[in-house]
Amino acid sequence: QKEVEQDPGPLSVPEGAIVSLNCTYSNSAFQYFMWYRQYSRKGPELLMYTYSSGNKEDGRFTAQVDKSSKYISLFIRDSQPSDSATYLCAIIYKLVFGAGTILRVKS
Amino acid sequence: DTGVSQDPRHKITKRGQNVTFRCDPISEHNRLYWYRQTLGQGPEFLTYFQNEAQLEKSRLLSDRFSAERPKGSFSTLEIQRTEQGDSAMYLCASSLGPLVTQYFGPGTRLTVL
Repeated sequence: QKEVEQDPGPLSVPEGAIVSLNCTYSNSAFQYFMWYRQYSRKGPELLMYTYSSGNKEDGRFTAQVDKSSKYISLFIRDSQPSDSATYLCAIIYKLVFGAGTILRVKS
Repeated sequence: DTGVSQDPRHKITKRGQNVTFRCDPISEHNRLYWYRQTLGQGPEFLTYFQNEAQLEKSRLLSDRFSAERPKGSFSTLEIQRTEQGDSAMYLCASSLGPLVTQYFGPGTRLTVL
């Protein structure tokens, strides 16, 4: 079992939709969770990070951690074509990334 | 620009040749990481440095790979006797310490023919 599992997509949504991106992880010792966005042929850029359980909001983005089910989510409200990218969840304990979900927002 | 920089951005080489990549981290960051990313996959951890000390190496880092950070600033990643399976994006990241945000460079895309 991989330490971090992420559906690779692609996920295709219309402009303005609410997007839900999800990851599951296996080790309950993980405490820091991050979401990175990666545009084609670029390095990943940090979107948000959370510690332990709960929600964190930043503009149109909300990160959610449910430690009881080992599930992390990223919600994007009012999605824009510029949000089209690969979204990577990352567990910072042993520097482990998910495979990334490709998101395509159609205008 | 005070971000993480990597050089070169692209490298094409023939199988069996040696290649070396350079990473310049954000200046005050004491941790430097190397990752490898192949198409459709997330970055995979290779190794990291705390200042000049290499503290952890992944089993992905075969004997043909060597990384250095001689003065605790920039780092180099060398691949000897390259193989086609080494073709990937090599990403460098830096951070101020453990368990904090890692900032990534643009990557070096290696193609081994």
